[in-house]
Amino acid sequence: DAKTTQPPSMDCAEGRAANLPCNHSTISGNEYVYWYRQIHSQGPQYIIHGLKNNETNEMASLIITEDRKSSTLILPHATLRDTAVYYCITRGGSQGNLIFGKGTKLSVKP
Amino acid sequence: GAVVSQHPSWVICKSGTSVKIECRSLDFQATTMFWYRQFPKQSLMLMATSNEGSKATYEQGVEKDKFLINHASLTLSTLTVTSAHPEDSSFYICSANKDSANYGYTFGSGTRLTVV
Repeated sequence: DAKTTQPPSMDCAEGRAANLPCNHSTISGNEYVYWYRQIHSQGPQYIIHGLKNNETNEMASLIITEDRKSSTLILPHATLRDTAVYYCITRGGSQGNLIFGKGTKLSVKP
Repeated sequence: GAVVSQHPSWVICKSGTSVKIECRSLDFQATTMFWYRQFPKQSLMLMATSNEGSKATYEQGVEKDKFLINHASLTLSTLTVTSAHPEDSSFYICSANKDSANYGYTFGSGTRLTVV
């Protein structure tokens, strides 16, 4: 089973920041938090990942709480093309694979 | 970067025939690749782990004789759906890990299989 909890859906106005929360209260000390998104009928796209420090790249920012039990993905200026299902994942499979939960369906509206 | 190429992107086949899907790591070597399946409106589910030079590891409930995996080189893994049936129609996605600490896991673009 997935080790993360995300809201099933969120709406965001175009141009505004989208803040997507994720709970991972059982994360172990050396597990990274990965964020991916999946646009309909495409493979998951890597967004960002982090261990304990906040991270930022050209796509998004990742804020991880000090206790590492939750994190927030921030898309600073959401566009219509950011409409997708966003997955917050900690590697947890016995084969070293990523385990996907149901993710958050983000709808960016004009 | 880390790029994974998957081919074909979609395929339609008749019941009873076999279909091969290729997954290539283009700019890195991958001793392990993962094969996922995704049914409509559901999340990705791991089917099997492909290991270069050894047998694949299948998840519970996945028939190894039906879903043949070959990982013949460090850059290529193939999934063959044998004797396909309509219930095998799904979205198949492969993934490889270059260096998860720095790059995360990279996914192919997926293959939409429709069995008629």
